[in-house]
Amino acid sequence: DAGVIQSPRHEVTEMGQEVTLRCKPISGHNSLFWYRQTMMRGLELLIYFNNNVPIDDSGMPEDRFSAKMPNASFSTLKIQPSEPRDSAVYFCASSHWWQETQYFGPGTRLLVL
Amino acid sequence: GQQVMQIPQYQHVQEGEDFTTYCNSSTTLSNIQWYKQRPGGHPVFLIQLVKSGEVKKQKRLTFQFGEAKKNSSLHITATQTTDVGTYFCAGPRGNQFYFGTGTSLTVIP
Repeated sequence: DAGVIQSPRHEVTEMGQEVTLRCKPISGHNSLFWYRQTMMRGLELLIYFNNNVPIDDSGMPEDRFSAKMPNASFSTLKIQPSEPRDSAVYFCASSHWWQETQYFGPGTRLLVL
Repeated sequence: GQQVMQIPQYQHVQEGEDFTTYCNSSTTLSNIQWYKQRPGGHPVFLIQLVKSGEVKKQKRLTFQFGEAKKNSSLHITATQTTDVGTYFCAGPRGNQFYFGTGTSLTVIP
């Protein structure tokens, strides 16, 4: 199994630009999570999906952030417009069910200038 | 506010010394999971505890889940340089999932 796949691995963009992060969960997993990690705020859960349905999005910072899961094998996290304070490592993780072991992807390192 | 706190935030130990990190939740968790993140890497699952008072061991690592299912600990005996990283506890409550604040371990050779 290839594990959780995230793309791009690195992204450098300018303030105001749209950023789209992508995630392919492990096949057969029913839950998908998006996290953000910074030195200041640690590891934050942004949103998670069960069977492609968003369950808890209370961690999504503001309206500039949106996440979708159109099918069981693909999810996106979009930031529009991006701001320097969005600079962080964004992880995607998947699990058989949301309460169980999570498998993390390698992360996307985002730098907004 | 932060639901799951870990202490200490940072710990430096001499190789061979023991290490313990404590995880405290403001609410009861359905289970407790522990993850390890190496510098520059991603969190990797270590173990899951489900029962109140449960204790599990993995070689030099001992994990404990509190009786009230609100706290947990991870103890490493005789640390090695390969133990370096940040250790996170995590767990579900209701329909929410919480990660702890993490403990960063440095092992001095």
